Amino acid sequence: QVQLVESGGGLVKPGGSLRLSCVASGFTLTDYYMSWIRQAPGKGLEWLAQMTTRGTIYYADSVKNRFTVSRDNAKNSVYLQVDSLRVEDTALYFCAGQYDLWNGYPRSYFDPWGQGTLVTVSS
Amino acid sequence: QSALTQPRSVSGSPGQSVTISCTGTSSDVGAYYYVSWYQHHPGKAPKVMIYDVSERPSGVPDRFSGSKSGNTASLTISGLQADDEADYFCCSYAGTYTPAVFGGGTKLTVL
Repeated sequence: QVQLVESGGGLVKPGGSLRLSCVASGFTLTDYYMSWIRQAPGKGLEWLAQMTTRGTIYYADSVKNRFTVSRDNAKNSVYLQVDSLRVEDTALYFCAGQYDLWNGYPRSYFDPWGQGTLVTVSS
Repeated sequence: QSALTQPRSVSGSPGQSVTISCTGTSSDVGAYYYVSWYQHHPGKAPKVMIYDVSERPSGVPDRFSGSKSGNTASLTISGLQADDEADYFCCSYAGTYTPAVFGGGTKLTVL
């Protein structure tokens, strides 16, 4: 069964850090472009970052220099290190994949998704 | 404020049809045929319902259809069923450095 499971969220004070994990099962993570996406309370989805199958990483301007994506192929996992957290970073954080069809040409849509892990930033 | 604009809510009775709009710009929705729609039941993983403007993944009923005109994409759900009640998000490709922009989401209520 193809599945993504996020973990690592929690309550953290402003300025703090967390490391979010996303474990894949039923497929090989390195065959997919992997993105982190978040949804703040009452808001829409926001794309944050993406790691390609070749390891290139792109970040949204809103999180550049504060968030870092990494991958552990042996654990079939991708991570999001979130630093210098702000109250406005409070959100449900999802990981989602796009299958790489031809080694550099991913499908245009996200499938699969995880259920998300909740990050709450509050003093 | 989300990059793509969707109505906050729509509603319809069982058996009826509803259409959800998604308005972007000439840099995203208007520039590419890479618009996708996701159904999200809170607490569950979002599910792709439409991709590439009007394509349906295997397993998605043909009650779900998509279209695009200019900078606005639309999702139409016909023959509404109770289980269709969920949040729906649109998404568009916007270039190599911005692979995805999303809408604010639309809550569909089946009356």
